[in-house]
Amino acid sequence: EAGVTQFPSHSVIEKGQTVTLRCDPISGHDNLYWYRRVMGKEIKFLLHFVKESKQDESGMPNNRFLAERTGGTYSTLKVQPAELEDSGVYFCASSQGRLRANGYTFGSGTRLTVV
Amino acid sequence: GQQLNQSPQSMFIQEGEDVSMNCTSSSIFNTWLWYKQDPGEGPVLLIALYKAGELTSNGRLTAQFGITRKDSFLNISASIPSDVGIYFCAGRGSQGNLIFGKGTKLSVKP
Repeated sequence: EAGVTQFPSHSVIEKGQTVTLRCDPISGHDNLYWYRRVMGKEIKFLLHFVKESKQDESGMPNNRFLAERTGGTYSTLKVQPAELEDSGVYFCASSQGRLRANGYTFGSGTRLTVV
Repeated sequence: GQQLNQSPQSMFIQEGEDVSMNCTSSSIFNTWLWYKQDPGEGPVLLIALYKAGELTSNGRLTAQFGITRKDSFLNISASIPSDVGIYFCAGRGSQGNLIFGKGTKLSVKP
């Protein structure tokens, strides 16, 4: 089975620009999570979708970040306008259920650099 | 919020040596996980722990879930060059999201 796919793998943008990250979860996985790792720090939870609904968005840093999952399939995370502190690696993960963490599969991440 | 303190931050060891890293938390977790991240890849699950006191092995890896449910350690025996990477501990929050430590960067010298 195909894993979690993220696009692009790398993105370099200027401060003030807009970037959209995409995540394709494993087919049939209702749960989709976004995480972010800023250099040298822990991987931090951003938000959780169950199908197309936002279950928990308590980790979203501010209103410059907008996540969507139309139709409950792939998800996008838009940063607008990007700031320097948004640089980091953005990971997406999906799981069929949320109760067993060993069902979590991460994508390879999108490395975002804001200059 | 809940935080995990992971140590050491980095390790430089000789091939064949054993490695130990640990995580502590001020909060109780019901599930404790250890992940490994290779360069350019996402975290991959190594071991999942579900019961306080549980000791679980996966090949050369051994992890234990502390009795108080506030700590865990991961041991790697007889390290090899492909063990290089960043190891993360994680606790599972009540909504299913994961709370990660800052990671331990492991370097293995052949």
